[in-house]
Amino acid sequence: EAGVVQSPRYKIIEKKQPVAFWCNPISGHNTLYWYRQNLGQGPELLIRYENEEAVDDSQLPKDRFSAERLKGVDSTLKIQPAELGDSAVYLCASVRDRHNEQFFGPGTRLTVL
Amino acid sequence: QKEVEQDPGPLSVPEGAIVSLNCTYSNSAFQYFMWYRQYSRKGPELLMYTYSSGNKEDGRFTAQVDKSSKYISLFIRDSQPSDSATYLCAASQGGSEKLVFGKGMKLTVNP
Repeated sequence: EAGVVQSPRYKIIEKKQPVAFWCNPISGHNTLYWYRQNLGQGPELLIRYENEEAVDDSQLPKDRFSAERLKGVDSTLKIQPAELGDSAVYLCASVRDRHNEQFFGPGTRLTVL
Repeated sequence: QKEVEQDPGPLSVPEGAIVSLNCTYSNSAFQYFMWYRQYSRKGPELLMYTYSSGNKEDGRFTAQVDKSSKYISLFIRDSQPSDSATYLCAASQGGSEKLVFGKGMKLTVNP
């Protein structure tokens, strides 16, 4: 089965510019996660979707970050405007069932100049 | 204090060595414990998955969870240069709850 697909793989932007990341989870996986991984750190959750509903967005900086998962399949994460501190790898993950075996995509490496 | 603590290393061992990686956690509600392997510029790859306490073995890899001491371990036998990567421990409360990760330990296995 195909894995989690993310695009773009790399993005370089100047601060204050907007940026968007796209994720397509594994087919049949209803739960989708966006994590952010800073250099030398483990991933940290930004938002979790159950189908099209955001059920945990407590760590999403809502002043500049937004996400959507229309039709409960693929998802988009947006930052507007980007700040220098947003430079990180943005990872998407999905899970098949309630046993929580999360599968990760390759990530989008964002560099904000 | 972070909910999952992991010594970030780095750790360098000769080929064939037994590697022991460890994490501690503070949240008693954690029920699921995982080890992920992450190669440079790649996403984390699920390596081992354990529910509650006990051991789980898969080839050269053994995962142990001791809930009484809140200790998570991963053992790699007969380590290979291809095992060189960052190893992340993670825990969750279950269901489809978020994973809480340690910082990751960078392992290098020298031929």
